[in-house]
Amino acid sequence: LAKTTQPISMDSYEGQEVNITCSHNNIATNDYITWYQQFPSQGPRFIIQGYKTKVTNEVASLFIPADRKSSTLSLPRVSLSDTAVYYCLVGALYTGGFKTIFGAGTRLFVKA
Amino acid sequence: SAVISQKPSRDICQRGTSLTIQCQVDSQVTMMFWYRQQPGQSLTLIATANQGSEATYESGFVIDKFPISRPNLTFSTLTVSNMSPEDSSIYLCSVVFGQHAFFGPGTRLTVL
Repeated sequence: LAKTTQPISMDSYEGQEVNITCSHNNIATNDYITWYQQFPSQGPRFIIQGYKTKVTNEVASLFIPADRKSSTLSLPRVSLSDTAVYYCLVGALYTGGFKTIFGAGTRLFVKA
Repeated sequence: SAVISQKPSRDICQRGTSLTIQCQVDSQVTMMFWYRQQPGQSLTLIATANQGSEATYESGFVIDKFPISRPNLTFSTLTVSNMSPEDSSIYLCSVVFGQHAFFGPGTRLTVL
């Protein structure tokens, strides 16, 4: 199972772009990279998922280099409500289950 | 996507007792997953519950302590047995669609 490493915490200001990088050196061929956001007292919420190159949706972009050993979540213009814990997951669904490991997560603090 | 509900949302229990947590999904799914999130920590997978078969437990978790039922394709229960204060955590159920997971809101358990 691929282990992920993220910065423990990050600070930002409203309106800034935030980039959170995750390293996953042991990523397997079948693994996808998924990012989740978690607010206190809530379950993790899916943000974005990718396999390689760049993926963009209405809330974020995900950059994955060719070797797939790292990935970067980019939040374009953060607001106070983006203060949360962000988890990078690497894993894949297979016949017997869903093999993934949650890293420690990155606590993002957005200041006014 | 999937909408997942859990009951109870929170509970305070006495040591030595047991609590059963319910998880309901709005779609039929083959696999459901149970996670534990200890205070200030990341998520740890407890077990995978497949409909019609015994649950598969991760290292460090045993069926006697965390029995799981999976009576149909939209419902599962997790029981935390013979509780101790160390069991105080948030327990979350999860399902997977495609290659990413959806999480319930969690059950916050406090054991006194």
